[in-house]
Amino acid sequence: AQKITQTQPGMFVQEKEAVTLDCTYDTSDPSYGLFWYKQPSSGEMIFLIYQGSYDQQNATEGRYSLNFQKARKSANLVISASQLGDSAMYFCAMREGLRNDYKLSFGAGTTVTVRA
Amino acid sequence: EAQVTQNPRYLITVTGKKLTVTCSQNMNHEYMSWYRQDPGLGLRQIYYSMNVEVTDKGDVPEGYKVSRKEKRNFPLILESPSPNQTSLYFCASSFPGGGTDTQYFGPGTRLTVL
Repeated sequence: AQKITQTQPGMFVQEKEAVTLDCTYDTSDPSYGLFWYKQPSSGEMIFLIYQGSYDQQNATEGRYSLNFQKARKSANLVISASQLGDSAMYFCAMREGLRNDYKLSFGAGTTVTVRA
Repeated sequence: EAQVTQNPRYLITVTGKKLTVTCSQNMNHEYMSWYRQDPGLGLRQIYYSMNVEVTDKGDVPEGYKVSRKEKRNFPLILESPSPNQTSLYFCASSFPGGGTDTQYFGPGTRLTVL
């Protein structure tokens, strides 16, 4: 079964607008971490934001925020005030367990294109 | 500078010609992993290592070998590459214990097998 599901293969957003990228996950482990990575056309993986399963508040990092709905098993990424440099592929990923740092399970990714 | 390096960054080869992709990290991380990225599939783990001489299979290990003789290095070996191993490969490393930026990724190696 797919552990991470990203249902939006591609999205267009107007510059300066906000965009929400969907991510749902599946795990029976009560301890897990959720990550979002950005992959620009150059190919490198850039860590954006992290949410732990026991975190009470939604994570935020600058223009990135994570809408964490634990009961629905969803961890959507919100990018506010989109910029042209936000055009990239975005991956949602999950680490199951507190110490399983050797493995992340990734979704298929969402390509975001920001229009001027 | 803390980093994971991979070499080569780009490689075009032919079916059956053995190749090695090197990975090195300078952060004294215990854990290292290899992933492959394919369109529509995201990244999938090939092999991982929890320390020197300790390696194990990930989700898609067929056709690959690894070794961990030194803590800093974790080479990926394709003994007899085939076209279905054409992919973008990432090496990653981390400390055990959880955390926010738990995995550091290398820059990627784009492999084409003809």
